[in-house]
Amino acid sequence: SQQGEEDPQALSIQEGENATMNCSYKTSINNLQWYRQNSGRGLVHLILIRSNEREKHSGRLRVTLDTSKKSSSLLITASRAADTASYFCATDALGYSTLTFGKGTMLLVSP
Amino acid sequence: DGGITQSPKYLFRKEGQNVTLSCEQNLNHDAMYWYRQDPGQGLRLIYYSQIVNDFQKGDIAEGYSVSREKKESFPLTVTSAQKNPTAFYLCASRTSGTGDFDEQFFGPGTRLTVL
Repeated sequence: SQQGEEDPQALSIQEGENATMNCSYKTSINNLQWYRQNSGRGLVHLILIRSNEREKHSGRLRVTLDTSKKSSSLLITASRAADTASYFCATDALGYSTLTFGKGTMLLVSP
Repeated sequence: DGGITQSPKYLFRKEGQNVTLSCEQNLNHDAMYWYRQDPGQGLRLIYYSQIVNDFQKGDIAEGYSVSREKKESFPLTVTSAQKNPTAFYLCASRTSGTGDFDEQFFGPGTRLTVL
């Protein structure tokens, strides 16, 4: 399987702190995407980074991609309690016509 | 409102019964997807359809069936052959079924429980 793997599995921080989640994958990709899932809900797309990009920003989110190491990181700055959710990376692998999701990182932000 | 709707939100099934989960989108998207999510796990692909009247098996298609007769609808049937169907089911769509994968839009999910 070309499934991505997030690290850590769970992360607990205080409001105002930064949260960093990592994703590793196995095959060459067209792009990598990050999604957020609140408990019991559907996933929401956060950001997409293409294989020729190294860094991308969206509001308080910063995503990096290192294709040589086959890894990506998602940084959420100045976390809020409302950021509490699970975060998934998904890869669009070369030669495949579907996204492959990792198992996710569960983030808990305490007030 | 544009988006993806799934119904019902909760579904209970007796062993041996077939049940059908509804997924409708009004985003005019060509491609639609069904995923299964177990507690603490990621999403696993059941079936997908890149265009009307065509669909392909995903990683865990056994015990499931789909149809794609209309662009906006992609129902999933969980058959009695699926031995462990209790899970959270998510439907998704994207603009095109080909080319680089852009953003996927997800429905709110259906939680299926076998009694």
